[in-house]
Order: sequence, then C-alpha cells, then structure tokens
Amino acid sequence: ELKVEQNPLFLSMQEGKNYTIYCNYSTTSDRLYWYRQDPGKSLESLFVLLSNGAVKQEGRLMASLDTKARLSTLHITAAVHDLSATYFCAVDLRDNDYKLSFGAGTTVTVRA
Amino acid sequence: DVKVTQSSRYLVKRTGEKVFLECVQDMDHENMFWYRQDPGLGLRLIYFSYDVKMKEKGDIPEGYSVSREKKERFSLILESASTNQTSMYLCASSTPGTGELFFGEGSRLTVL
Repeated sequence: ELKVEQNPLFLSMQEGKNYTIYCNYSTTSDRLYWYRQDPGKSLESLFVLLSNGAVKQEGRLMASLDTKARLSTLHITAAVHDLSATYFCAVDLRDNDYKLSFGAGTTVTVRA
Repeated sequence: DVKVTQSSRYLVKRTGEKVFLECVQDMDHENMFWYRQDPGLGLRLIYFSYDVKMKEKGDIPEGYSVSREKKERFSLILESASTNQTSMYLCASSTPGTGELFFGEGSRLTVL
C-alpha cells in the first residue's frame, strides 16, 4: 500500500522568511503533484513533477522531486500572507489506473 | 479554461434519503473520480471511472454507487444516506497523459 507522508502538518510562518514542506512516499513513483486548498474551497493544482530531478517554480513557491529518495519538497521563499492555505502532495502509481494517493496536508498560516 | 462543475455546493438531507451528486467536466477527460474529504482523514477515493460505463472501487466504496453514462458526466449516489456520510465530496477528472487532477468546487453534504 502506498503511503504518503507530509511534514510538518501545521506550519506557522513569519512573513519574509523561508520554509520547506516535505513529502515522503513509500513506493517507487516518478509522478508527484502539489495542490493548494483555501478554507472552504476545493483543491487547485500547483505543480506536476513527472521525472527525477524535476523542479518547477511559480512565484514564491518551488517544488522539486527526488525519486531515488522518494521525496518531494515545496519551498516557500519570503512568505507572504496570501500563501496561507493547506498544501497537499499526491503521488501517482501509473500501474494503479492513475489513482492518486494524497498526503494529509500541511496547513500553513503566515503571520506578520 | 479547465472546468469541472458539481451540481450542488451545499445539501442537507435526512437519514435514509437517496442522494445524487452530479459532476460534469468539459475537458473531454477519460478519467473521473469521486473523493470525500474529512478533517484529519485527508482525501479518500470513493470510486473512479476511466471510461463510459466503466467504474472501479476506490478505498471507501461502501454505501456509495456511481454512474457514468456519458463521458463528461460522473454521478455519485448514496442509496440511503447516513449521518457518517456527512462530508465534503470532491469530483475530479484527469487525462492519462499527466495524471494531473482537476477538481470541482466540492459539494458539502450534511445528513441529519
């Protein structure tokens, strides 16, 4: 059974500082996704990482994938208030009919 | 723009009632999914479909059924709603190419 673990589960950030969210998974996969969810809303796709060493960046967020270590990181640079949300990683086993397994989510709060 | 539309944002039903949740996507995606999201439990896959009239059980199919008569539409059915089915229900679609999920806005169901 594929397990996807995120840490931390809760992250209080100070504006202007840098932080990292980690996503570990238990089975070989080269496809990993990051999503953002605002309170009361649905999930929005942030990044799709489809190979070892993949790095994607959008604004203050950068995601990377190390398939050998079974690890993805979501790095936040100079946090700002509007990054407050819950961030989920999800892993895809392609031989599993493209079903994604999700981590528990990291709830981020950015304070002044 | 990619669009997944769920028919009802908020529903309140009584125990034992039959509930239909409908989802329509306009991206010509083969794969469609129903998840439920509960605090502390993350996203759990109920059912998915990778073609018209095809369906596969996810991790928590008990108490649910689905219907996919047309490619763009995937319905979730609660034959006899129970209070433990109070939850946020999320529909999503994807293409096999990337596996990236596109989510609808969610349907928050309360069963009294």
